[in-house]
Amino acid sequence: KNEVEQSPQNLTAQEGEFITINCSYSVGISALHWLQQHPGGGIVSLFMLSSGKKKHGRLIATINIQEKHSSLHITASHPRDSAVYICAVSQSNFGNEKLTFGTGTRLTIIP
Amino acid sequence: DVKVTQSSRYLVKRTGEKVFLECVQDMDHENMFWYRQDPGLGLRLIYFSYDVKMKEKGDIPEGYSVSREKKERFSLILESASTNQTSMYLCASSPPGFEQYFGPGTRLTVT
Repeated sequence: KNEVEQSPQNLTAQEGEFITINCSYSVGISALHWLQQHPGGGIVSLFMLSSGKKKHGRLIATINIQEKHSSLHITASHPRDSAVYICAVSQSNFGNEKLTFGTGTRLTIIP
Repeated sequence: DVKVTQSSRYLVKRTGEKVFLECVQDMDHENMFWYRQDPGLGLRLIYFSYDVKMKEKGDIPEGYSVSREKKERFSLILESASTNQTSMYLCASSPPGFEQYFGPGTRLTVT
């Protein structure tokens, strides 16, 4: 069993829909990361959070430490949101952020 | 803006060749990482470094070595390339305890 599990693996939605991607983990963590990867490979960090909720534009990330679960929400989805979204957890050792990754959720937004 | 650059976007090498992948970051980050990304397996950590001349093995170090002689540069070395090392290689850097910044990736094909 992977330490970080994401669901769904693939998600197709219409433009404007509210999107939720889920991440569950089985280890103790210092922080959880949400990353975005567009076709071509480049990866961008969206959020790093250790409790509660963070918001950036149309993106919202939440984490429940007790339940070891995080969600990434996208409001008013747009075709440019089409990408692979990756959840990762860090188990920091003296500030060295080794990440363990989920296998990603491929999101496609249809105009 | 933080910039992480990698020496090549695409590379084709023959089995048995010695391969050097270079990564340079311009933000004076202490931590640097090398990952490989394979379909269905996600990103996996090969090696990381938290200081000049310091290195630690990640989850899949076999067949790889690294070098960090200067703070801004972290090199990944395939001593004798094999076909099972065909993959996308991603470098990242971060200050301790903060999010990672990724390079654009090198797609390596070993024939």
